[in-house]
Amino acid sequence: QVQLQESGPGLVRPSETLSLTCTVSGGSVSTFYWSWIRLAPGQGLEWIGYTYYSGRPYYHPSLKSRVTISADTSQNQVSLRLSSVTASDTAVYYCARLNRYNWSHWVHEIWGQGKSVTVSS
Amino acid sequence: DIQMTQSPSSLSASVGDRVTVTCRASQDIRNYLAWFQQKPGNGPKFLIFAASSLQTGVPTRFSGSGSGREFTLTISNLQPDDFGTYYCQQYNDNPWTFGRGTKVEI
Repeated sequence: QVQLQESGPGLVRPSETLSLTCTVSGGSVSTFYWSWIRLAPGQGLEWIGYTYYSGRPYYHPSLKSRVTISADTSQNQVSLRLSSVTASDTAVYYCARLNRYNWSHWVHEIWGQGKSVTVSS
Repeated sequence: DIQMTQSPSSLSASVGDRVTVTCRASQDIRNYLAWFQQKPGNGPKFLIFAASSLQTGVPTRFSGSGSGREFTLTISNLQPDDFGTYYCQQYNDNPWTFGRGTKVEI
């Protein structure tokens, strides 16, 4: 059974870089696409971007200048880096496995429990 | 970006009730819509894709319908385990976008 676990600092200072890791167990990072999604207080879920270990990542246009998502097959992990953070980046961050159903339906089928990150000095 | 509007934002219902959650897209998304259930402290759980196709293992009391701009998630015969927040997500256009959620209380 595939499980995803997010990890990283729970507190990041404004203007610094948020770095999170998603460790995949029970499956291989190289087999699927992987997304990062966040849930800010009082807001809806926001998709950040996705990657495939051997392909070009795709990012939300509003975050594209600050975000990097990558997959490390040797560690079986997916990472998220978000630079120049502000208080509006405070959120619970989730990694999720993307899978294609019925040829064209890309679905976030498995999610981690999430990592709460606060941006504050 | 495509805006996804869910209603109601919250509801309270009793065991055995039929519950309906609505999701409206700001433009046509065909049937490229998924539904998720989230409980406190957990990541969302995938329920439905292609607006009406149930994920394997999801109880058949859950159903989805709609196409174009308007969609519904129905829970018939509501069970105590069905509490949580339900989200819709469109994946017809990038960036993929979610609704703000509907909190279901039993």
